[in-house]
Amino acid sequence: DAGITQSPRYKITETGRQVTLMCHQTWSHSYMFWYRQDLGHGLRLIYYSAAADITDKGEVPDGYVVSRSKTENFPLTLESATRSQTSVYFCASSVPRDRRYEQYFGPGTRLTVT
Amino acid sequence: AQTVTQSQPEMSVQEAETVTLSCTYDTSENNYYLFWYKQPPSRQMILVIRQEAYKQQNATENRFSVNFQKAAKSFSLKISDSQLGDTAMYFCAFMKHAGRYNQGGKLIFGQGTELSVKP
Repeated sequence: DAGITQSPRYKITETGRQVTLMCHQTWSHSYMFWYRQDLGHGLRLIYYSAAADITDKGEVPDGYVVSRSKTENFPLTLESATRSQTSVYFCASSVPRDRRYEQYFGPGTRLTVT
Repeated sequence: AQTVTQSQPEMSVQEAETVTLSCTYDTSENNYYLFWYKQPPSRQMILVIRQEAYKQQNATENRFSVNFQKAAKSFSLKISDSQLGDTAMYFCAFMKHAGRYNQGGKLIFGQGTELSVKP
């Protein structure tokens, strides 16, 4: 039972480069989310998706692009990475009509932009 | 817009003692959910406890309990009989109830409280 996985776990990239963070879940959860974690800010929502081909912006979407062609995958792309995007990125998923409203988080990707 | 505030960046407690982590939030919504998530050094986010705003009874999960004060918009977490494995960052989070067809929710997190349990 793999659950929710993220790749890579660690990434170092240079300013201006494009980088894609992958998220894959095996539960067929319809909702998926991307958060970034920074000191002093907790986790902030970047983008979320209600189903395949349905995405919407969260609190801090600028500089990021998402797609969701398949239910199980939700990649996050930084089109031109900036130092301010150095962060830990978490993917999460949740079950429709789950009365617990619990979100299940991946292990995170630590991204450093130099 | 909703906001969540955790005013204690760091706390420490002796093993087997009780500690309370504070959380306040601001919202004009009447129907919502509140959560405490734990993030140990492994970085994995783990749900500790959940509270529905329409329930007056405080939620409990084994050694973890909350004090939910809706009028005061306060949601504190009490950890009893603290264990070394409780050492972690703790996040308070808010989710608005999106109505009858709510299919999932956007979480708004506080800044976190780093808890150290000392032997």
